[in-house]
Amino acid sequence: NAGVTQTPKFRILKIGQSMTLQCTQDMNHNYMYWYRQDPGMGLKLIYYSVGAGITDKGEVPNGYNVSRSTTEDFPLRLELAAPSQTSVYFCASSGTGGPYNEQFFGPGTRLTVL
Amino acid sequence: AQSVTQLDSQVPVFEEAPVELRCNYSSSVSVYLFWYVQYPNQGLQLLLKYLSGSTLVKGINGFEAEFNKSQTSFHLRKPSVHISDTAEYFCAVTPVNNAGNMLTFGGGTRLMVKP
Repeated sequence: NAGVTQTPKFRILKIGQSMTLQCTQDMNHNYMYWYRQDPGMGLKLIYYSVGAGITDKGEVPNGYNVSRSTTEDFPLRLELAAPSQTSVYFCASSGTGGPYNEQFFGPGTRLTVL
Repeated sequence: AQSVTQLDSQVPVFEEAPVELRCNYSSSVSVYLFWYVQYPNQGLQLLLKYLSGSTLVKGINGFEAEFNKSQTSFHLRKPSVHISDTAEYFCAVTPVNNAGNMLTFGGGTRLMVKP
């Protein structure tokens, strides 16, 4: 099992550009999440999904969009990149059965917007 | 809503010394509590969790944590640290009735183990 994979690992964007961060999991998990990590701030939830076709906003959704057409994939879209979106982005997944389930994290994407 | 405060942003410690990383939380409902560890340039992985029962929870790599409901704390401890424990540690909570399993994280504590 590869677990949770994310691409790319690094990316530099210019202000106003758009991009998609890819996330794939091979554990057949229904729940998937996108977080951003900023120094000293911990992780903040951007969007989450409880299954294919179902997504919802987290704590910091502005400037981002998501879709979930399959169980495996949960891409995160930045439409108009801004310097405030410079961060490390983590995708995670967990199985069903309750909030006590462990979340499995990908290795992260480091994004810089200049 | 929930909030998590990790009282120390950095904790330097010498190898083989004991360490305690502090975590306090605030919530109007009952919560499950977690500690995750992030090694350099990696994603997070679960260290341990408290769901119910005994308030002392043992995790991987010799770590343990104690849940104190009256003080709303969940401090992480290790009696003797190794260089390889150098990492960032995150405390997190989720309500017990949270169908989406959404975690609220603290700001993290960077543990720096020195030889």
